[in-house]
Amino acid sequence: SAVISQKPSRDICQRGTSLTIQCQVDSQVTMMFWYRQQPGQSLTLIATANQGSEATYESGFVIDKFPISRPNLTFSTLTVSNMSPEDSSIYLCSYNRGGSSYNEQFFGPGTRLTVL
Amino acid sequence: GDSVTQMEGPVTLSEEAFLTINCTYTATGYPSLFWYVQYPGEGLQLLLKATKADDKGSNKGFEATYRKETTSFHLEKGSVQVSDSAVYFCALSPSMGGGGNKLTFGTGTQLKVEL
Repeated sequence: SAVISQKPSRDICQRGTSLTIQCQVDSQVTMMFWYRQQPGQSLTLIATANQGSEATYESGFVIDKFPISRPNLTFSTLTVSNMSPEDSSIYLCSYNRGGSSYNEQFFGPGTRLTVL
Repeated sequence: GDSVTQMEGPVTLSEEAFLTINCTYTATGYPSLFWYVQYPGEGLQLLLKATKADDKGSNKGFEATYRKETTSFHLEKGSVQVSDSAVYFCALSPSMGGGGNKLTFGTGTQLKVEL
């Protein structure tokens, strides 16, 4: 499987500011995904990011709050905008190898965000 | 919509005990089923998977069988070790061609193994 990394690994931010999280895969992948894991909870899909098209957002998530870029087949960014303490979570990116019969996803190490 | 239900934790076991973590799902068609593990301070790792009914996924001594009739995918291990302490997530992905390969996760079950 390809190596997937995220930057930053953690950050502490002030209310009202924005943070951009980067996700890098060391080979080309078709689909990338962004998830949120709130404290003590499971993972919730924010959006699916395909190269060359706008991201597809899940119910409850909007582009103005979580703008996503996918400029090429190895990279994506997620911005958490106008942050509030409720945005404190771990944000994870993942990719799908495509063409597999079992839709397996590989996850990055996550970005732990704390909003004060 | 699709959903995954896991037994609540934390589950505390003594080393070498038998482990079962229950997982049931609701989905249309024939989803793929997964168990992911999150060790303390680390990211999510795929533990095992099954893609069709009666398939058994296995890895590192863990096993889970895809039971279509009971819509279940329970995780088992015959003898747990302290190093198995982690949070375990059951997940599903829709049938091929549907849902854009999205994963739906259960709430996670924390396992603590003591000496």
